[in-house]
Amino acid sequence: SAVISQKPSRDICQRGTSLTIQCQVDSQVTMMFWYRQQPGQSLTLIATANQGSEATYESGFVIDKFPISRPNLTFSTLTVSNMSPEDSSIYLCSVERTGGAFFGQGTRLTVV
Amino acid sequence: GESVGLHLPTLSVQEGDNSIINCAYSNSASDYFIWYKQESGKGPQFIIDIRSNMDKRQGQRVTVLLNKTVKHLSLQIAATQPGDSAVYFCAENNAGGTSYGKLTFGQGTILTVHP
Repeated sequence: SAVISQKPSRDICQRGTSLTIQCQVDSQVTMMFWYRQQPGQSLTLIATANQGSEATYESGFVIDKFPISRPNLTFSTLTVSNMSPEDSSIYLCSVERTGGAFFGQGTRLTVV
Repeated sequence: GESVGLHLPTLSVQEGDNSIINCAYSNSASDYFIWYKQESGKGPQFIIDIRSNMDKRQGQRVTVLLNKTVKHLSLQIAATQPGDSAVYFCAENNAGGTSYGKLTFGQGTILTVHP
């Protein structure tokens, strides 16, 4: 498996502000993934983050709203920009390893 | 089966019973599948995976069955315990082994185990 740490674990933010979520992995990985889980729902892939290249976004997600950084092979950030109450969700990072794909504990974001 | 919106399928069982959670996946090109368990306030926890060249795989107290003909996946939990109570998600991948962390998730099933 993998040890994946996310910060913050939760936050309450004002609408119109931005929040940057950090994801740290215990060893080097090629790809990191960011997912969103809206209240009471399943997970949806936001983007794939490779080190040294621009993130690849899924349909319905854009870089201006969810900029991603991947400065090295153990770390990534996701920013939720210009937040509205509809952005209230759990945001999760994940990595793939031999033996599967593993998730952090998530960042629970509430926008007021 | 699967559902949409906030009305997740639910399964209630007695402690010690066997549980079967079902999932209908959508993409016939999917070749890798994972089951996750998500407890309240936590991220999804990897349970077991299976590749499309197999139709059955067993782990500790869990078995995953894959029927590619009807695009159906099931998770069987033997001797279910109260600690198994959680939401269970199936996830599929169709990247052909190039990026198996890129997953499409099912809607989830709430499992409640009564002592």
